[in-house]
Amino acid sequence: GAVVSQHPSRVICKSGTSVKIECRSLDFQATTMFWYRQFPKQSLMLMATSNEGSKATYEQGVEKDKFLINHASLTLSTLTVTSAHPEDSSFYICSAEPLGGGTDTQYFGPGTRLTVL
Amino acid sequence: AQKVTQAQTEISVVEKEDVTLDCVYETRDTTYYLFWYKQPPSGELVFLIRRNSFDEQNEISGRYSWNFQKSTSSFNFTITASQVVDSAVYFCALIVDSNYQLIWGAGTKLIIKP
Repeated sequence: GAVVSQHPSRVICKSGTSVKIECRSLDFQATTMFWYRQFPKQSLMLMATSNEGSKATYEQGVEKDKFLINHASLTLSTLTVTSAHPEDSSFYICSAEPLGGGTDTQYFGPGTRLTVL
Repeated sequence: AQKVTQAQTEISVVEKEDVTLDCVYETRDTTYYLFWYKQPPSGELVFLIRRNSFDEQNEISGRYSWNFQKSTSSFNFTITASQVVDSAVYFCALIVDSNYQLIWGAGTKLIIKP
């Protein structure tokens, strides 16, 4: 149980295009989903927290107009990188907190590797 | 403020050796949770353990063991008889009860040579 999927797992796009990444909790409902970014050889950096039906909370330094987050249901959150540029190339990981699971419980997706040419 | 320190950037050992990965944390909260995750080259995070601040018992799971010591604010991870498949980056992380955010250490890259 407690599986989180991400789609796509890998994407290569041209500079200036927008890319949408989906994060789904497959066998549970998620109150909260988190989006992380990881640069090579670095730790995970929290980008934003999204709660179903409300606006996402972005961490300091993360452009909300650049990284659009939508949490339309208790099992799906999407991250859209708008007008992507090479510096947006990174590994994006989502995690989901189960409904009633408490803040100490997060299940991670397998990650999406974005390469912007 | 909370902080997790993994001072070892990279460790390289020969297969079958024991290896310990250090994790030191900082928090003023009395209720918190500590985690270890493994990240193999594929990138997917693998959950290894969660320990709450009220449970100082050491844990053993196969070749893995964890030593939680509140007196030194440490949560160290030992792999016994290491194997090549243990090669990965290992992250220690912290959540405090007053804040939902996972605080991540910088990670330790573990290389197990055959």
